[in-house]
Amino acid sequence: SYVLTQPPSLSVAPGETARIICGGENIGTKSVHWYQQKAGQAPVLVMYYDRDRPSGIPERFSGSNSGNTATLSVTRVEAGDEADYYCQVWDTTSDQYVFGGGTKVIVL
Amino acid sequence: EVQLVESGGGLVKPGGSLRLSCAASGFDFGTSSMSWVRQAPGKGLEWVSSISGSQTFIYSSDSLKGRFTISRDNAENSLYLQMDGLRAEDTAVYFCARGESVGSTWYHFDSWGQGTLVTVSS
Repeated sequence: SYVLTQPPSLSVAPGETARIICGGENIGTKSVHWYQQKAGQAPVLVMYYDRDRPSGIPERFSGSNSGNTATLSVTRVEAGDEADYYCQVWDTTSDQYVFGGGTKVIVL
Repeated sequence: EVQLVESGGGLVKPGGSLRLSCAASGFDFGTSSMSWVRQAPGKGLEWVSSISGSQTFIYSSDSLKGRFTISRDNAENSLYLQMDGLRAEDTAVYFCARGESVGSTWYHFDSWGQGTLVTVSS
């Protein structure tokens, strides 16, 4: 089955850029979607179709996808961006949704 | 405004059954693809099952081995998850989510409920 790999954690200082990576075999051929989940809350869609932002998501959030890596970038990181971030794809080979293991972004 | 409200969670013994419900409002439920996603305590998100608006397409995680059944009642704007043969490892918060799909290809989840906790323990 298809596997998405994310680093467990990422620490970033306020005002810097957080780059959250999601690795998968030929992930660049798939549509990647990203969710932000703050402690005790439901996930929120922050990026879809690799690089599209839902309404209400700040322009500081951007996405890219190529080769074996998809990336969610958050510029000018704020304390409120501290959360778990999950990437997700639909695997057409197995007809299954796949989530990455999640990356905890810690704002120093 | 899209609203998804889950209910039906609780404490159940191993081997038992439970039926979760999700009440939807604020959008055209009958044409929307819906899914269940769960999250074990302290763990990541795990997809459970999905169903298209017309019920033409139904998919479930291979890891469940047929123990869970997703269904919907479009007249009642409700989504369900029948869970049988429950195990301790099924303990999780179960989220209802609205999805985007085109035919047999599925994409993202654009709205989520707050979840309902299922605890499997003797």
